[in-house]
Amino acid sequence: ELKVEQNPLFLSMQEGKNYTIYCNYSTTSDRLYWYRQDPGKSLESLFVLLSNGAVKQEGRLMASLDTKARLSTLHITAAVHDLSATYFCAVIGGSQGNLIFGKGTKLSVKP
Amino acid sequence: DTGVSQDPRHKITKRGQNVTFRCDPISEHNRLYWYRQTLGQGPEFLTYFQNEAQLEKSRLLSDRFSAERPKGSFSTLEIQRTEQGDSAMYLCASSLGQGNTIYFGEGSWLTVV
Repeated sequence: ELKVEQNPLFLSMQEGKNYTIYCNYSTTSDRLYWYRQDPGKSLESLFVLLSNGAVKQEGRLMASLDTKARLSTLHITAAVHDLSATYFCAVIGGSQGNLIFGKGTKLSVKP
Repeated sequence: DTGVSQDPRHKITKRGQNVTFRCDPISEHNRLYWYRQTLGQGPEFLTYFQNEAQLEKSRLLSDRFSAERPKGSFSTLEIQRTEQGDSAMYLCASSLGQGNTIYFGEGSWLTVV
C-alpha cells in the first residue's frame, strides 16, 4: 500500500528565512503533486513533477523530485506572511488514477 | 468561472437522511475524482471516473455511498442513511488524462447532526 509521509507537520517560520518541507513515499511513482490549502478552502495546485530530477519554481517556492530516493522537497525562500497555509504533497496510487496525499505541513510565517 | 464546480457548498442533515452532491468538472476533462477530507487531515480518495466509467473505488466507499457520471460530464455522489462519521468536506476534482494537473473544486461541507 502506497504511503506518503511529510515532515515536518507543523512549521513556524520567521519572515525572510528559508526552509524545506520533505515528502517521502513508499513505492515507485514518477509523478508527484504539491498543493496549497488555506483554512476552509479547497486545494490550489502548485506543482506537478513528472520525472526524476524535475525542478520547478514559482515565486518563493521551488519543488524538486528524486524518484530513486522517493523524495520530493518544497523549498521556501525568504518566507513572507502570505505563504502561511497548509501544503500537501500527493503521489499517484492505484491503477494510475487516484492521488494519495500526505498529512500536510501547516506553515505559519510570523513577522 | 470555468473551474470545477460543486453544489451544494454546505449541507446540514439529520442522521439517517440521504444526501446528494453534484460536481461539474472543467469542460473536456475526461477524469473526475471524489475525495473526502476531515479537519486536520489530507484528502482521502473515494473514487474516480474516466469518462462515464468508474475505474476505481476506495475501501472507504461503503455500500451507503454511490457515485455516478452518467454522460461523462457531471457527477453525483450520494450518501444514504448518513451517519455522524460522514461529516466531512467532499471534494471533487478533474483532469485531462494522466500526468496532468488535477484541479479541485471548492468542496461540499457535510454536517450530520
